[in-house]
Amino acid sequence: GDSVTQMEGPVTLSEEAFLTINCTYTATGYPSLFWYVQYPGEGLQLLLKATKADDKGSNKGFEATYRKETTSFHLEKGSVQVSDSAVYFCARGTLTGANSKLTFGKGITLSVRP
Amino acid sequence: DTGVSQDPRHKITKRGQNVTFRCDPISEHNRLYWYRQTLGQGPEFLTYFQNEAQLEKSRLLSDRFSAERPKGSFSTLEIQRTEQGDSAMYLCASSLEGRGTDTQYFGPGTRLTVL
Repeated sequence: GDSVTQMEGPVTLSEEAFLTINCTYTATGYPSLFWYVQYPGEGLQLLLKATKADDKGSNKGFEATYRKETTSFHLEKGSVQVSDSAVYFCARGTLTGANSKLTFGKGITLSVRP
Repeated sequence: DTGVSQDPRHKITKRGQNVTFRCDPISEHNRLYWYRQTLGQGPEFLTYFQNEAQLEKSRLLSDRFSAERPKGSFSTLEIQRTEQGDSAMYLCASSLEGRGTDTQYFGPGTRLTVL
């Protein structure tokens, strides 16, 4: 079935370090791909998304590119800030376009120290 | 646009009791979803509605669980005869289908603790 695999965490970085969080998905159809973020004490928020191969989603300095050939959607940021400390979830939709449900990875906790 | 709201935010109950949670989606969103999230895991899909019709249910949704969306606006999720394994965060999300927008917006969740 549909699944999403995220790299094991947690991840601790110093401020201004480069961030990569790996995410791969099962290649059933051509799903939309998402990164959600959960800040401490808050609900899930959409960070960015991509709906087709080679699309790049971007927001708040974060980027992820939909790679069909490697079934990946890795999240990157060139210079992290303390305020980026949160739990990050990769997710895929079930169908191209109209997503009747999301399948999430386990999430990874990012801690950024000053 | 006030976002997705859920009530209550926390619920503590004893095993065997029934509980009901409410979700108010973003106004005019025609799709509403329920997910469950346990500690250290990502959210898992439970069920979703398009308007008032329940279109899909996960196998995770045992017969003790029932969800309704009677007028296509707010939704309720009821758990009967709660078990300790039901302890989790229950998340609601909504989206607007039919206009090429498939992004799901999540509420803050209801944390259920079954003693």
